[in-house]
Formats: sequence, C-alpha cells, structure tokens
Amino acid sequence: GAVVSQHPSWVICKSGTSVKIECRSLDFQATTMFWYRQFPKQSLMLMATSNEGSKATYEQGVEKDKFLINHASLTLSTLTVTSAHPEDSSFYICSAVGNTIYFGEGSWLTVV
Amino acid sequence: AQRVTQPEKLLSVFKGAPVELKCNYSYSGSPELFWYVQYSRQRLQLLLRHISRESIKGFTADLNKGETSFHLKKPFAQEEDSAMYYCASLNRDDKIIFGKGTRLHILP
Repeated sequence: GAVVSQHPSWVICKSGTSVKIECRSLDFQATTMFWYRQFPKQSLMLMATSNEGSKATYEQGVEKDKFLINHASLTLSTLTVTSAHPEDSSFYICSAVGNTIYFGEGSWLTVV
Repeated sequence: AQRVTQPEKLLSVFKGAPVELKCNYSYSGSPELFWYVQYSRQRLQLLLRHISRESIKGFTADLNKGETSFHLKKPFAQEEDSAMYYCASLNRDDKIIFGKGTRLHILP
C-alpha cells in the first residue's frame, strides 16, 4: 500500500538552531500534504496545508516564519523549524493525500 | 467552525465485552468521517471511513446525521484492540480535523 515516510524519526537540536523534517510519499504523488504536531497525551493539531508549487496555508496561531514549509515536488514536503526553542519540542506528523490520506510515522523533535 | 468531539479520554473495557467509542461532529454540510487508530509506537492508521461502510477488525461505525454522531463499535473486545482511537472529519478543503482521541484499554 501507499507509504509516507518521514525523516528524521528523532532529532535533538540546540536552542536557536533550525531543523528540517522531510515528508515523502514513496509510491504515489501528492499535490497536497499536511503537517500536524502532537503534544504528549493530546490530539493532533493541524499546523498547515502544503500545496505543491505554491505557498503553504497555515492554520490560525501557527507562525509561518517559524515553521517554514516547502513542497517542491509531488513527492516531498519539508517542514523547517527555525530558531527552535524548547517549547517547539513536539511530535510532528505529516500526511499526504493519495486515494485516501496516508500518515507518516512522525518525527520527534527535542530542543535543548 | 468544524469540530470533532470525543467525550471520553480513557475507556476501560473487559475482554469480550462490547466497546463503544463516542464521536460527535459539527459540520454544516455532508461530512466525510473517519476513525483512525494508533497502536503503541506505531503510526496512525486508517481504521474505517463512513463512505465505505465496511467492518475492519470487527469494528463498525454508522453515521447518524440526526444525532451528528459517528460512534465506533465492536461487539466483543480483544486485548489487541488496546490503542488510541481518533475520530476525524474531512472538510471541503481536504483538511482532516481530529478529535482529541480516546485511549481504549482492554482489561484481561
């Protein structure tokens, strides 16, 4: 079946640095991908909709300059957390729209 | 605003007993509703969607427009059903909005 892969699965970075998370659709093309974050014991919160070839659409309260999204091809979307701070530590999940919606395995970000 | 409500954070059920995970939605149009399951340390997986009207792993869910509900049911719980379950709604912009999730704990 269709697979969505995220990389890295785990990342630790220093406060003030930037970190990039990749989301790839492995055997299908996805013009639309979504980025979510999930805090411990809480639900998934939609951050933004990533559209291939155009600017991402951000949900209310999500800083677009903080969370840069680039959907440069039909199989890859990237989320860059810029100038990361400890409060950005979270579980980030992407999903891609194929014949249904497929989820990546998620990426744990810890900012120290 | 579109909203999905799962009133129970945790549900504990004995093995072999019936399970019902509640989900209510608010949406002015015709919603497309899903149940997702997340087993321990695994990715989120689609369990079922209302338009396919199928039964997966013994689970079923019926859309009740009058009650705006999409409760997930299984007649006999199994230990491997222990997981986190999320109800979700798909809106016109192809955005999936999730409920807060219900942790199902099957007691032996």
